[in-house]
Amino acid sequence: NAGVMQNPRHLVRRRGQEARLRCSPMKGHSHVYWYRQLPEEGLKFMVYLQKENIIDESGMPKERFSAEFPKEGPSILRIQQVVRGDSAAYFCASSPGYATNEKLFFGSGTQLSVL
Amino acid sequence: LAKTTQPISMDSYEGQEVNITCSHNNIATNDYITWYQQFPSQGPRFIIQGYKTKVTNEVASLFIPADRKSSTLSLPRVSLSDTAVYYCLVSKNMRFGAGTRLTVKP
Repeated sequence: NAGVMQNPRHLVRRRGQEARLRCSPMKGHSHVYWYRQLPEEGLKFMVYLQKENIIDESGMPKERFSAEFPKEGPSILRIQQVVRGDSAAYFCASSPGYATNEKLFFGSGTQLSVL
Repeated sequence: LAKTTQPISMDSYEGQEVNITCSHNNIATNDYITWYQQFPSQGPRFIIQGYKTKVTNEVASLFIPADRKSSTLSLPRVSLSDTAVYYCLVSKNMRFGAGTRLTVKP
């Protein structure tokens, strides 16, 4: 039973390019969370999605960032026109539901470097 | 949503017991308390979860007092490989705080 899969593991982009980060949740999980982490800092919540729905995007910048979780395929975090400040590790997590005792299962993250 | 407060960092030595306390004064009646561990360049992983009193598994123990306004993660006889950042979460709040950076020294 594969865990949460994120790809690519490392992504290098030049300023102004687009970055697409993919997350395949664990089998049977329909809830996905995206987090951003700067070096030596904690995980900052960005967005929470269910299949085909954005439930909470309060942590995501209003411009340049978008996320989706289509009926088929992985969840995608898209960053348009990247800037150096977008350089960070991006982690996604999945859970089977939204119960009060839900546990999150994390992927290994995507390290985004903006040149 | 309940907010959590933890010490920023802790140091310990191999073989010692480490206790990390998390404050969550605004915990709701149906909230669980969940602890995660994160190593550098890896995603966090689940350690332990509890609702009240004491929970123990092969990795750690979790102590929760009757008022549930705090919880203590206990790691028995730590080793160098326990050096990591530890986060407590109070569900359904999937927001992580800064966590506690534990450094285990030889």
